Amino acid sequence: GNSVTQMEGPVTLSEEAFLTINCTYTATGYPSLFWYVQYPGEGLQLLLKATKADDKGSNKGFEATYRKETTSFHLEKGSVQVSDSAVYFCALRGMDTGGFKTIFGAGTRLFVKA
Amino acid sequence: GAGVSQTPSNKVTEKGKYVELRCDPISGHTALYWYRQSLGQGPEFLIYFQGTGAADDSGLPNDRFFAVRPEGSVSTLKIQRTERGDSAVYLCASSSGLAGVETQYFGPGTRLLVL
Repeated sequence: GNSVTQMEGPVTLSEEAFLTINCTYTATGYPSLFWYVQYPGEGLQLLLKATKADDKGSNKGFEATYRKETTSFHLEKGSVQVSDSAVYFCALRGMDTGGFKTIFGAGTRLFVKA
Repeated sequence: GAGVSQTPSNKVTEKGKYVELRCDPISGHTALYWYRQSLGQGPEFLIYFQGTGAADDSGLPNDRFFAVRPEGSVSTLKIQRTERGDSAVYLCASSSGLAGVETQYFGPGTRLLVL
């Protein structure tokens, strides 16, 4: 079945450091890929998405590129801020299950120090 | 409100009791989803409604779990004979109902603790 694997946290960085959170997936066909973010005390929010190979999703300085050859969707940001401290979830939605069921990774907690 | 709302925000119950968790989706959204998030894990799909009908309930763990959406708007997740292992945050999401790429909007969740 479909699955998502992301790097374990926590990840601790200093402000303005470069961020990479690795995500790989297993799916049949061509799933849509997502990154969600959960800030402390808040609900899940969509951060960015990509729907086909080589698409790049971007939002709030974060980027991720849909790499079908490596089945990856790594999240990157060039310069993190304290306000980026949150839990980040990689996710996919496969058309083989009707395109509605979202499969999430376990999440990666990011701490950014001032 | 403009977003997905869930009530109660917290629920403490005793093992063996029955609980109901409510979800109010964004107005006009035809698709509604329930997920369960255990501590330190990502959300796990439970069930998905398109209108009033359950289009996919493959994630419900067993027959103690049941969900309804009688008028195609508000949904209730029902858990019978609760067990300690049911303790988790139950998330509801809604979307416009277009497959594949539409955004699912999540509510704040109901934190269930079974003693």
